[in-house]
Amino acid sequence: DTEVTQTPKHLVMGMTNKKSLKCEQHMGHRAMYWYKQKAKKPPELMFVYSYEKLSINESVPSRFSPECPNSSLLNLHLHALQPEDSALYLCASSQVSAPSQFFGPGTRLTVL
Amino acid sequence: QKEVEQNSGPLSVPEGAIASLNCTYSDRGSQSFFWYRQYSGKSPELIMSIYSNGDKEDGRFTAQLNKASQYVSLLIRDSQPSDSATYLCAVNKSNSGYALNFGKGTSLLVTP
Repeated sequence: DTEVTQTPKHLVMGMTNKKSLKCEQHMGHRAMYWYKQKAKKPPELMFVYSYEKLSINESVPSRFSPECPNSSLLNLHLHALQPEDSALYLCASSQVSAPSQFFGPGTRLTVL
Repeated sequence: QKEVEQNSGPLSVPEGAIASLNCTYSDRGSQSFFWYRQYSGKSPELIMSIYSNGDKEDGRFTAQLNKASQYVSLLIRDSQPSDSATYLCAVNKSNSGYALNFGKGTSLLVTP
C-alpha cells in the first residue's frame, strides 16, 4: 500500500464547531506531517511527528491540535476556527531516514 | 531573500518541446531537493528527488543540482498537455531534517 488517505474530503464548519481531520498511511513511515495550503500558495508546514512524538510545531495557533495515536494515524483537531483558516489541509508521510514526503489528497476546509 | 525562489510563470511551451523549470535556494546546508507536481485542486505529487550534484533522469524528467550555485532545475522532455500543472520546488531545512521549504511554484502550460 503506497497511499496516504485523508478524511473527510470536504468539511464545512462554523466558528464554534469542533471537528477532526484524519490521515492514515500503511507504508511503514514513521514521520507524518500536517500542511496548510491556501489558493495559489505553496504548502505551509504546521506540525511534524516523528516516531509518534511531536517534533515540530511551526507556531500554529492552539485552535489546531494535532494527535498521533499510532504509527499509521494522524489527526488534526479543530476548534473555534476563523474564516481565514479555510484552506486545503494536507497530510504527508515519509521514512525518518529518507526525506521524500508523500502527500494525501487533502481535506478542503471551509469555515463559515 | 526568500528561502526557495521560483519564477511563477506561466511558462508556456508547445507540445513535444522541452520545458525547463528553475529553482534557487538560500540555505547552504540543505542536502535534499524535490520536485512536486500539483494539478489544480489536487495535492502535490512527488516526481523527482535529488541529493547529489549533477543530473538524475527518470523517464521524461531530468533533475539537475548544483550546490555551489544553490540551483536546482527540472527538465521535462517531449512535453505533453497532461504535464500542464504547477511545479513546486522543495528543499529541506538544514536545521530541521524533516521540514521542507517550498517555493511558490511555476505554472507550466503545454499547448497542443
